[in-house]
Amino acid sequence: DADVTQTPRNRITKTGKRIMLECSQTKGHDRMYWYRQDPGLGLRLIYYSFDVKDINKGEISDGYSVSRQAQAKFSLSLESAIPNQTALYFCATSALAGGLSTDTQYFGPGTRLTVL
Amino acid sequence: GENVEQHPSTLSVQEGDSAVIKCTYSDSASNYFPWYKQELGKGPQLIIDIRSNVGEKKDQRIAVTLNKTAKHFSLHITETQPEDSAVYFCAASSGFGNEKLTFGTGTRLTIIP
Repeated sequence: DADVTQTPRNRITKTGKRIMLECSQTKGHDRMYWYRQDPGLGLRLIYYSFDVKDINKGEISDGYSVSRQAQAKFSLSLESAIPNQTALYFCATSALAGGLSTDTQYFGPGTRLTVL
Repeated sequence: GENVEQHPSTLSVQEGDSAVIKCTYSDSASNYFPWYKQELGKGPQLIIDIRSNVGEKKDQRIAVTLNKTAKHFSLHITETQPEDSAVYFCAASSGFGNEKLTFGTGTRLTIIP
């Protein structure tokens, strides 16, 4: 979905390096998420944020941190990258409309990260 | 927490035939069940969803059925076409107030011309 952009789209880095993946959205959604996708494991939630002041750990947050710089921006950092963090990373957004959850999540195109 | 199992992991069907993908969930509080389609090089995209107060939902060639008692839900694609080839993910969440989706492990569907 072009309304959710991720940069970079591909990144190769070395063990121990600090990496930041960025996500921006123009959908005006309050809620943003970071997922990791590995073959045969589906999508697993790393962190999620329901608004700028709200950050929550997901299923697999160890080794990752996030920053919600603005409603439209949500960054994922790997403080010291390791090879088993090689994966496809997706950002997603959703809206809370009129006090009712819409639940639908809209995904960005993904960032393919390789840690050597 | 919620656990979602998805079967099969791969599925090949002749063009024009039907395809069925099945998922089971563990948390009886789950009440929202979306299905996402992921094409090569793209992010997942919602194709259909169902809430626990509905047993079946249909959108053209795609339908989803839900059995709350058995805690399973299925995606049905009829009259399959080559553009249906993709990876499909089911997911579950307890919905309102809890936006966390738990995804299945995915099914790679291949339509054979």
